[in-house]
Amino acid sequence: GNSVTQMEGPVTLSEEAFLTINCTYTATGYPSLFWYVQYPGEGLQLLLKATKADDKGSNKGFEATYRKETTSFHLEKGSVQVSDSAVYFCALSMSNAGNMLTFGGGTRLMVKP
Amino acid sequence: EAGVAQSPRYKIIEKRQSVAFWCNPISGHATLYWYQQILGQGPKLLIQFQNNGVVDDSQLPKDRFSAERLKGVDSTLKIQPAKLEDSAVYLCASSQDRYNEQFFGPGTRLTVL
Repeated sequence: GNSVTQMEGPVTLSEEAFLTINCTYTATGYPSLFWYVQYPGEGLQLLLKATKADDKGSNKGFEATYRKETTSFHLEKGSVQVSDSAVYFCALSMSNAGNMLTFGGGTRLMVKP
Repeated sequence: EAGVAQSPRYKIIEKRQSVAFWCNPISGHATLYWYQQILGQGPKLLIQFQNNGVVDDSQLPKDRFSAERLKGVDSTLKIQPAKLEDSAVYLCASSQDRYNEQFFGPGTRLTVL
């Protein structure tokens, strides 16, 4: 079946540090890939997405590139802020499976001032 | 535009009791999802509705969980009887149709004692 694996947290960084959260997937076919963010006390929000190989999703300074050859969708940000502290989830969906989301286990990011 | 509404936000019950959660999706959204998010894990899809019909309920433990969306708008998820391992956050999400972005509600945190 389909699955998503992401690096375990917590990831602790100082403000303005570079962020990478690794995400790899297993899927039969060509999934769409997503990063969701969950701020403390809030619901999941879509951060960015990519629907085909080599696409780059970007939002709020975050980027991720769909790499079919390595089945990866790593999340990056050049300079994190304290307000980026949250839990980040990588996910995939398959159009031939009703577009249902399969999530990774989540990575908690803590940014210290 | 109002987001996905869920109630209650928190619920504490004893094992073998029953509990129900309510979800009001974004107006006009045909597709509704219920997810279970156990602490430290990513959300897992329980059931997907398209209007008032079930698209997929393969991950729903049907011996104790039930869900309905009678008029194709609001939805209710019920657990009867609850077990300790049902302690989780139950997330509701909706989308215009099954191929569009899912918007998540704040979730209901269930604790089973």
